[in-house]
Amino acid sequence: AQTVTQSQPEMSVQEAETVTLSCTYDTSESDYYLFWYKQPPSRQMILVIRQEAYKQQNATENRFSVNFQKAAKSFSLKISDSQLGDAAMYFCAYRSPLIQGAQKLVFGQGTRLTINP
Amino acid sequence: NAGVMQNPRHLVRRRGQEARLRCSPMKGHSHVYWYRQLPEEGLKFMVYLQKENIIDESGMPKERFSAEFPKEGPSILRIQQVVRGDSAAYFCASSPPGNRATQYFGPGTRLLVL
Repeated sequence: AQTVTQSQPEMSVQEAETVTLSCTYDTSESDYYLFWYKQPPSRQMILVIRQEAYKQQNATENRFSVNFQKAAKSFSLKISDSQLGDAAMYFCAYRSPLIQGAQKLVFGQGTRLTINP
Repeated sequence: NAGVMQNPRHLVRRRGQEARLRCSPMKGHSHVYWYRQLPEEGLKFMVYLQKENIIDESGMPKERFSAEFPKEGPSILRIQQVVRGDSAAYFCASSPPGNRATQYFGPGTRLLVL
């Protein structure tokens, strides 16, 4: 079974600085998807960024980018120019697209990000 | 295009009562997923449904929990004879058909069992 591990329960960063959140996962599959979701105090789950394992290029979305290391099974999220609105819980998630009926997301434990003004 | 809708947003039940949680997927989405989030934890998969079919219920507790996604109307997650341990946030996500589709989440239902 696939597992996702986020080893940083909490992180903090100064406003306008850059922060990196770590995520590792375990799988025997070669094709899969990885995601970062953000959960602000409202507790809504918001998709931040998604990466297809077959793509070598790291995904980017404005100030958010990932460092995808397939061999190391590592998928870190970098937030540049941190803003107060980035404060939230961040969850890393894994999904296999290949197996019929196996579309469930497997989530890590989450990292609580605090932005210091 | 409206997002995934869930209602109620907050639900309070006494032990032994039934809880019914509703999820209306995004327009054009025929796949629905239910996840549960216990306090200070990540989301855990419960069940994956397509219209009128349960595809994967490997995360559903064996007793008291059931889910459906009828041909017409929202998906329903039903919890019978609730216990305090059922207190959690229940999230619904939906996606269009296809193995590579992204799931989009609703705002969740916070269930509190007194």
